[in-house]
Parts: sequence; C-alpha cells; structure tokens
Amino acid sequence: ETGVTQTPRHLVMGMTNKKSLKCEQHLGHNAMYWYKQSAKKPLELMFVYSLEERVENNSVPSRFSPECPNSSHLFLHLHTLQPEDSALYLCASSRQSSYNEQFFGPGTRLTVL
Amino acid sequence: AQSVAQPEDQVNVAEGNPLTVKCTYSVSGNPYLFWYVQYPNRGLQFLLKYITGDNLVKGSYGFEAEFNKSQTSFHLKKPSALVSDSALYFCAVRPYSGSARQLTFGSGTQLTVLP
Repeated sequence: ETGVTQTPRHLVMGMTNKKSLKCEQHLGHNAMYWYKQSAKKPLELMFVYSLEERVENNSVPSRFSPECPNSSHLFLHLHTLQPEDSALYLCASSRQSSYNEQFFGPGTRLTVL
Repeated sequence: AQSVAQPEDQVNVAEGNPLTVKCTYSVSGNPYLFWYVQYPNRGLQFLLKYITGDNLVKGSYGFEAEFNKSQTSFHLKKPSALVSDSALYFCAVRPYSGSARQLTFGSGTQLTVLP
C-alpha cells in the first residue's frame, strides 16, 4: 500500500543461520534505508544508500551486511546473529532531497533463538 | 547532534475530544520536522511535515501540527479524536543544512482513544 514491500514478514532463525531480508520500492526513489526498531527504543538508523552507494553506516556490527544492487532493491544479509538482534527491521525509501519524507515498508519481525 | 523528545510515552483521550501529542527538538540551524504514525504490525506512515512557511501544518486524517521556533516544539494536534487514531506516533527531525540524510526519531507516544 505504501509502495515499499518487505519479505519475509516474519523470520525465526538460529544464531548459526544465514538469512537475508529483502526490500523493494516501486516509487521511483533514489535513496533507501534500513532501520532497527526494538521495543521501548527509538528507531535506529542502520544503513543509508543513495544512488546505490552506501552513504551511512551507523556503527552496525558486521554480522549485518547490506546490499543495494539497484535503486529499487535493498537487502540485509544476516549471519551469526545474537538474541539481542531480535527486532522489527524496517526498510524505507525517499527521494534524495533532504526535505522529502521517507516511505516505510511493513517490516520484518526477526526472532533470533 | 540533533535530538527529539516525546515526553509522554502514553496519551489517553476520549473519542470526540481534542488530542495533543507533544514533541520538542534540538538541531543546529533550522529544522525539517516530521510526524509519522505506526499501526500494529505495520511500518511507519507519513502524516505531515514542516519545511518552511506557515507555522501551522495540516496533514493526513485531519491531523495538524504547529511549529514553534522559540519553544523548539512541534506538537501534533487533532480537534476531534477517533478510536481509529489509536496508534504509535513518532516525531522526527533533521537539519536544514548538512549532509545527513537520516531522520532522528523520538521514542514514540502511544495514543489510545477511548470510545
């Protein structure tokens, strides 16, 4: 409904698994974002891609690895996660101008066992 | 560094009454200010933004917000609340100038409209 889709919507994984989250935007935007939303905490920006180049990396552990193959797709590759990584992972996109609002996907609810 | 404060974790209001969700910010220079709403099991939805001009901004679903530079506030308001307005509301700020592309979000305010 917002033009930003995320798959899967729910994911349960063990600490030794490797999985990937996918985000796709159909809005013609040229900037894409990954956020982490944990209970009782503000949204944490993880990565920003602008024109398919990573421009922000907010001290995210290397067990999270983003990939942006084109302006419409964004991935978050996960490996050897920890239980504290369990959260809602939100993807967003926007036009590059600073005053443009971001459009969010529905999120992937990740549980790490 | 910029920051956003939403001083109330929870706001309860009766249906039909006016509602206010508070937000104050800190940023270098002029701000861009945003309000988003999040319904259960959904991503954030954009409600409204202040860029420049009129201090009273009107947005989606009958919401409005007033930019007050002297008080560094951007409170969200609605004249008559609906039960369907019950959701989690986030205020966000980013600086007018600079290279930062990200928004800084507040911790959110849970609004409950009671029938």
